[in-house]
Amino acid sequence: DAGITQSPRHKVTETGTPVTLRCHQTENHRYMYWYRQDPGHGLRLIHYSYGVKDTDKGEVSDGYSVSRSKTEDFLLTLESATSSQTSVYFCAIRTPDQDSTGELFFGEGSRLTVL
Amino acid sequence: AQSVTQLDSQVPVFEEAPVELRCNYSSSVSVYLFWYVQYPNQGLQLLLKYLSGSTLVKGINGFEAEFNKSQTSFHLRKPSVHISDTAEYFCAVIGGSQGNLIFGKGTKLSVKP
Repeated sequence: DAGITQSPRHKVTETGTPVTLRCHQTENHRYMYWYRQDPGHGLRLIHYSYGVKDTDKGEVSDGYSVSRSKTEDFLLTLESATSSQTSVYFCAIRTPDQDSTGELFFGEGSRLTVL
Repeated sequence: AQSVTQLDSQVPVFEEAPVELRCNYSSSVSVYLFWYVQYPNQGLQLLLKYLSGSTLVKGINGFEAEFNKSQTSFHLRKPSVHISDTAEYFCAVIGGSQGNLIFGKGTKLSVKP
């Protein structure tokens, strides 16, 4: 257990509304990631962070923004949700921090449905 | 860019039978490969990884994988599966300057009694 908590775990929203998903970690890891999981696509990286206020885009970043104002929290925001963003979202941390081949530990996921 | 291809989207198998889940990667000078497992309604967890050295890598729950450079493959095997091995399995490779994991599309292993 890497101390990762995602919230909310389930959310149903309407097209055009803003949505924020939160990932909280308790072990002070530097690297944090947001992935989305869709049938037939596996996991795809949305955004990642390598420190406070240090973030970068992944392969499917359009329509998403992130913020990391403190080490323990990594927020994923959908400014205006669309039905194509219906998905299961996973947060992950990497350990050890200095090892690019380190293991990813995943949260339990946040299931988002956009109607 | 690095990528992995999982050749089977679903693999049904009977309990106690052997299983092989196939993964091919795009060729590169150096490659770091991983297998992750996702049990129903859970996040992913690491099964095993290949960084260098011995081409046969042993992981948790009796799984092993063999790195084959000439065939650019990293297939996952288990000699005798259990019902509890029913899950989705993801092959992954490190790509990009920040060492991010790039996942395959997954293989659903269904073990039947």
